[in-house]
Amino acid sequence: EVQLVESGGGLVQPGGSLRLSCAASGLTFRRRWMHWVRQAPGKGLVWVSRITADVYTTSYADSVKGRFTISRDNAKNTVFLQMNSLRVEDTAVYYCATDWNYGFDYWGQGALVTVSS
Amino acid sequence: QSALTQPPSASGSPGQSVTISCTGTNSDVSGYDYVSWYQHHPGKAPKLMIYEVNKRPSGVPDRFSGSKSGNTASLTVSGLQAEDEADYYCSSYAGSNNWVFGGGTKLTVL
Repeated sequence: EVQLVESGGGLVQPGGSLRLSCAASGLTFRRRWMHWVRQAPGKGLVWVSRITADVYTTSYADSVKGRFTISRDNAKNTVFLQMNSLRVEDTAVYYCATDWNYGFDYWGQGALVTVSS
Repeated sequence: QSALTQPPSASGSPGQSVTISCTGTNSDVSGYDYVSWYQHHPGKAPKLMIYEVNKRPSGVPDRFSGSKSGNTASLTVSGLQAEDEADYYCSSYAGSNNWVFGGGTKLTVL
């Protein structure tokens, strides 16, 4: 059974930093692209970032470019999202998801990030 | 990276069919055959229902089908069941290593 488990969410002040982790099991993690997707309260899903499987090519939504950094540790089957210069509008549930033919086939349960003073 | 356009709500009675639309642009929906659909029950992880416009992952009932014409993709749910009540999101690859979602459609089974 595939499992993705996010951790690292919490309350942070505007301008602060937070690092999310997503631990994967039940799949060949080193072969899978990984994404982060977020959902603000009462809003829809929004794609945030992706990292490829091998050469670790990364891409970001314009709204987080320059502030967020995606990375992975294939030895630990884990993908990370380093979030710096956080803004109130970054408040959301953050999901990690695996890529399947440019869709997202497995999802975690999500980690809540609240940016507030 | 503008969001794809979905109707905010849709509804149907048990046993009926309902179609949810997802409108994008030449840069996403009509530019690539990488449209996917997700079922999301609040508080749970989203579930992939359709990928590459019209392909169903293993385990997804054949009551769910997808299609695309021009800039608009569609998800059809046939033989509506109570458990189909959820939020549905479309997504498309948008080129240059970017992806975009629709705003979501709340499906109500009457």
